[in-house]
Amino acid sequence: DAGVIQSPRHEVTEMGQEVTLRCKPISGHDYLFWYRQTMMRGLELLIYFNNNVPIDDSGMPEDRFSAKMPNASFSTLKIQPSEPRDSAVYFCASSLELSSYNSPLHFGNGTRLTVT
Amino acid sequence: AQSVSQHNHHVILSEAASLELGCNYSYGGTVNLFWYVQYPGQHLQLLLKYFSGDPLVKGIKGFEAEFIKSKFSFNLRKPSVQWSDTAEYFCAVNAWNAGNMLTFGGGTRLMVKP
Repeated sequence: DAGVIQSPRHEVTEMGQEVTLRCKPISGHDYLFWYRQTMMRGLELLIYFNNNVPIDDSGMPEDRFSAKMPNASFSTLKIQPSEPRDSAVYFCASSLELSSYNSPLHFGNGTRLTVT
Repeated sequence: AQSVSQHNHHVILSEAASLELGCNYSYGGTVNLFWYVQYPGQHLQLLLKYFSGDPLVKGIKGFEAEFIKSKFSFNLRKPSVQWSDTAEYFCAVNAWNAGNMLTFGGGTRLMVKP
């Protein structure tokens, strides 16, 4: 089991550029979550998917952010245009079921995004 | 909506010292509580969880946490830390029926000096 795989590990970009973060969940996991970690706000849930369908995107900060899950093994989080305040570590997580007792979240290593 | 506060942002201890990291949450209903750990360069891993029953929960690597409902707290403890415990620790909570919709605290960065 390779775990949740995120790419890239680090991304440095200039303000105004488009940024795409990628995630491969654990095979067989039906739920995929995108989190953002900042010093000021800690870990925030941005959006989650069930069977490739976005269920709750209320945490997405604004229209510049979008997330897709075209198939069960791949998801993207896109920021267009990026701004310096988007600098953070973005985590992807997956789980087998929504119920967390028997199905804990498995996190990826995160993507550290720096927008200059 | 629930929220989680971790009051200690940075903690520095020497090896063999005892550890207690504070976690307080706000939510009026029944909650599930978690502690996650993130070792340098690694992903978050579940340390322990509380759903019901004995409020003193034991996790991996000698960690334990106590749920005190009256104080809305779920503090993490370890009697004797090791250098390998250097990591960032996150407390998380969700409503009992909210599954993996977790609300995380801001994290506590622990450094253990050898």
